[in-house]
Amino acid sequence: ETGVTQTPRHLVMGMTNKKSLKCEQHLGHNAMYWYKQSAKKPLELMFVYNFKEQTENNSVPSRFSPECPNSSHLFLHLHTLQPEDSALYLCASSQEGGPGQPQHFGDGTRLSIL
Amino acid sequence: AQKVTQAQTEISVVEKEDVTLDCVYETRDTTYYLFWYKQPPSGELVFLIRRNSFDEQNEISGRYSWNFQKSTSSFNFTITASQVVDSAVYFCALSERWGSNYQLIWGAGTKLIIKP
Repeated sequence: ETGVTQTPRHLVMGMTNKKSLKCEQHLGHNAMYWYKQSAKKPLELMFVYNFKEQTENNSVPSRFSPECPNSSHLFLHLHTLQPEDSALYLCASSQEGGPGQPQHFGDGTRLSIL
Repeated sequence: AQKVTQAQTEISVVEKEDVTLDCVYETRDTTYYLFWYKQPPSGELVFLIRRNSFDEQNEISGRYSWNFQKSTSSFNFTITASQVVDSAVYFCALSERWGSNYQLIWGAGTKLIIKP
């Protein structure tokens, strides 16, 4: 089984829909991350959870709402998104939130907003 | 501000050629970490290597090698005898303190195309 699993792989939704992205890690890590990857732009860190506690929010609009029920699971709840939110959303985990910790990524969810 | 520059947007070579991907970084920290990741078409970012600022030894792993030079703030990545499976987007990243944690500052990536 892969280390970090994201579902769904693809999601198409209207601007008024509510959906959730799911991430699960099987690596025994304590830190989890949500990233947004848009075309022609560097990866943008959205949220960080360390030991289930949200430690950072990179000024993400409130239409994105993360949830981390335990160290293995991370959700991103989506509500009233905009067309510019169409992107690849990547989940990652690391042993801890320290500086030298490599992050392990899932395959991502390709989100399209109609 | 900390920054990572990958000046090569796209590189195309024929299989078996050697290819070097450039990464130049800026930081005011004396202790920092640098990373390389590979992103194949499937989308998953694959961790390749981590290097801390105190270790300037070059590293080799099979066909992959990395040249870290603090004097020029560069951390270049060379693939020897490239193969079609090496085709991917490669990202260089720098670890930066962010609040109580650390975040990775990412370069824009270099798309590598290996033609058969």
